[in-house]
Amino acid sequence: QQQVKQSPQSLIVQKGGIPIINCAYENTAFDYFPWYQQFPGKGPALLIAIRPDVSEKKEGRFTISFNKSAKQFSLHIMDSQPGDSATYFCAASKDNAGNMLTFGGGTRLMVKP
Amino acid sequence: DAGVTQSPTHLIKTRGQQVTLRCSPISGHKSVSWYQQVLGQGPQFIFQYYEKEERGRGNFPDRFSARQFPNYSSELNVNALLLGDSALYLCASSWGPQGYQPQHFGDGTRLSIL
Repeated sequence: QQQVKQSPQSLIVQKGGIPIINCAYENTAFDYFPWYQQFPGKGPALLIAIRPDVSEKKEGRFTISFNKSAKQFSLHIMDSQPGDSATYFCAASKDNAGNMLTFGGGTRLMVKP
Repeated sequence: DAGVTQSPTHLIKTRGQQVTLRCSPISGHKSVSWYQQVLGQGPQFIFQYYEKEERGRGNFPDRFSARQFPNYSSELNVNALLLGDSALYLCASSWGPQGYQPQHFGDGTRLSIL
């Protein structure tokens, strides 16, 4: 059972655009939602994370929006750059279940110059 | 400070063989988790260890096992390798076992089964 669904699978934007990646989860016990960025040949790198007690969190050009009632959260990348071209993964975990992260299927982002 | 280090970076094995993958966590991190990432998919949780004890296990067969050493490094063992075990194996470390503890990943071991 896929507990975290991510969309779209791929995304192409122009430099300066604002790509938006969406995730939906099923398990209401999830209470920590990180986003990871992965370049080819590398491991996932933690970008930003949110907990359900806030609706939005910004770190640099990255913003997470969180809608607890809809069980959805999204990543916005402001002023996107070609160097942001990578695969992005949303994930979720439960405080009382250790570090087990449940990942979405990933979004391959291409930012054109 | 060094990040999570994994060895080897690449490995080629044949069906039926056994493999051991190694992970050194970030200094000070006591929790280590293992994930399998099949090409084109998100990572799938295999194991978590904290203070040398198994704290979580994903939906993987008993051919997969792991352990954590007193220095918090960890090994993942896979027996009787199948073609479907071909994947990138990722290790992640964090300060503690709680779900909200940020996890930091290594660059993985690419395992190919012939």
